[in-house]
Amino acid sequence: DAGITQSPRHKVTETGTPVTLRCHQTENHRYMYWYRQDPGHGLRLIHYSYGVKDTDKGEVSDGYSVSRSKTEDFLLTLESATSSQTSVYFCAIRAGGNQPQHFGDGTRLSIL
Amino acid sequence: EDQVTQSPEALRLQEGESSSLNCSYTVSGLRGLFWYRQDPGKGPEFLFTLYSAGEEKEKERLKATLTKKESFLHITAPKPEDSATYLCAVQASETSYDKVIFGPGTSLSVIP
Repeated sequence: DAGITQSPRHKVTETGTPVTLRCHQTENHRYMYWYRQDPGHGLRLIHYSYGVKDTDKGEVSDGYSVSRSKTEDFLLTLESATSSQTSVYFCAIRAGGNQPQHFGDGTRLSIL
Repeated sequence: EDQVTQSPEALRLQEGESSSLNCSYTVSGLRGLFWYRQDPGKGPEFLFTLYSAGEEKEKERLKATLTKKESFLHITAPKPEDSATYLCAVQASETSYDKVIFGPGTSLSVIP
């Protein structure tokens, strides 16, 4: 299994609070991704990183920010959580070129 | 616009009843097509990469094939443990080198 750890695995919080999800990898891969998965929408890309301090937006980036200060860690922050951000969040890593992405086991986030 | 569709949305098979799942894509230059398996509560698990039309890959009861417009995942004599959601994803060489586009998935149920 690819060395990807997501934390926390489950979180319940209230609207308006800040939330940070962490993705940690032990593979030294260049690329890291954050997705959300919702019924009827499949996997949607939020943000991704192509190197330390290098990030770009995905298709559903509004309301989210990311940071990558070292190769192994990619953080996703919801500055002020809303109920529409209730979802399952997946982190993925990729070595580069046309290599596949490998996924963590997800964080289930509920915003009440 | 780059797009990936999958059919059927859901498939119910008797144990031993072979069938195929379809992934159709329209992208600006195919760099790679990926198949994943996703079990409930887990992240997608990588199965295969296909790079060019005519290519085939096999793993146990699964065989993936690729044409210029679609890919098939053939399941031979399925067992209940093959029940999962199968996702296909495409990496386009011209429009989104760093990203992949995921299809909505096919939910497979294999009945004993």
